[in-house]
Amino acid sequence: GAVVSQHPSRVICKSGTSVKIECRSLDFQATTMFWYRQFPKQSLMLMATSNEGSKATYEQGVEKDKFLINHASLTLSTLTVTSAHPEDSSFYICSASTTAGGTDTQYFGPGTRLTVL
Amino acid sequence: KQEVTQIPAALSVPEGENLVLNCSFTDSAIYNLQWFRQDPGKGLTSLLLIQSSQREQTSGRLNASLDKSSGRSTLYIAASQPGDSATYLCAVLGNQFYFGTGTSLTVIP
Repeated sequence: GAVVSQHPSRVICKSGTSVKIECRSLDFQATTMFWYRQFPKQSLMLMATSNEGSKATYEQGVEKDKFLINHASLTLSTLTVTSAHPEDSSFYICSASTTAGGTDTQYFGPGTRLTVL
Repeated sequence: KQEVTQIPAALSVPEGENLVLNCSFTDSAIYNLQWFRQDPGKGLTSLLLIQSSQREQTSGRLNASLDKSSGRSTLYIAASQPGDSATYLCAVLGNQFYFGTGTSLTVIP
């Protein structure tokens, strides 16, 4: 089946630094990628929808200047958490969407656990 | 390695019926289990979150149960409506997220 990878799987950083998370579709092209986050004991929530070659669409309450999303190719999207603070500590997960085979299917990465000290 | 299975893969019911979707997982060492709804071309919508210490959660016509020891969860939808037609995913959080393959639900008016 289709595989989506995320790198890194776990990152610990100091407050004020920026962290980049990569999401790759390994064996298919993804026209759309989604970024989610889950705070402890809360549901996974959609942050933004990213289409290759265009600006990401952010959900309400998600700061686009803080969470920079770049979808430069059909197999790679990156999420950069700028000037991270402890309250940004969360599980970040991406999914990649493909319509190959005639149906719209999302494949999920394993997630990146970010801890900001 | 954790494996998450959803049965059935597809389900078609007439409007008004109550229905049950099943999710099973192989490793009971989880932090939580979540049920999501996925509409074509859209991101996931979270429906219910059950922490590992909880047995069930309810929201409107939805009720989700969790039996961690047997590795099972069910999503019960009461009085189904055509607007419930979507793909329903369950996911467990352990050291990473593990998603099921989904159940495609069609509610026929």
